[in-house]
Amino acid sequence: EADIYQTPRYLVIGTGKKITLECSQTMGHDKMYWYQQDPGMELHLIHYSYGVNSTEKGDLSSESTVSRIRTEHFPLTLESARPSHTSQYLCASSDLTDYGYTFGSGTRLTVV
Amino acid sequence: GDSVTQMEGPVTLSEEAFLTINCTYTATGYPSLFWYVQYPGEGLQLLLKATKADDKGSNKGFEATYRKETTSFHLEKGSVQVSDSAVYFCALSDRGGGNKLTFGTGTQLKVEL
Repeated sequence: EADIYQTPRYLVIGTGKKITLECSQTMGHDKMYWYQQDPGMELHLIHYSYGVNSTEKGDLSSESTVSRIRTEHFPLTLESARPSHTSQYLCASSDLTDYGYTFGSGTRLTVV
Repeated sequence: GDSVTQMEGPVTLSEEAFLTINCTYTATGYPSLFWYVQYPGEGLQLLLKATKADDKGSNKGFEATYRKETTSFHLEKGSVQVSDSAVYFCALSDRGGGNKLTFGTGTQLKVEL
């Protein structure tokens, strides 16, 4: 049973629209991450957070923004969606041990 | 910086065949190593892990041994099933780098009857 939830699972939206992808976890993890996964499967870290009011940009430059006002919630926002933003977005969380990440099921975004 | 190199896919096998997916890494410290699996339309799931040299991770018939001398963490399974068809990601966690994971590019496995 998933302890990290992403909504929506699928989203088709027009160019120029503002969208927010939701990610919530019930495990009390301090660290949360957003990955963009391209059709070739490769994962690119775009944002991460080590706790409330902490956000950092990842390895891949992204026009999206994130916030971390509550431990359990880490939403990602695109102010003006473009076709180049079409991708799968994966949210993950971890604690301070070596147990690795727990991933959500992802949001598949299509911008037309 | 840290990096993970996986064998290119797709890998196509017949059911009950032996599976090896190669993974080698470069890291400055003593990382933990992971294999994740992604089934179609899903997120990634942790398959197995190893936190120090010579550790063997195992789960669902899959195994991988942390080989520090060859900087490798190859994934193996003795007899694959159609249900094992998925994408497999090797990853490392540099404890000195805040536990961020570095992923390989993924290897797609297709198992046919």
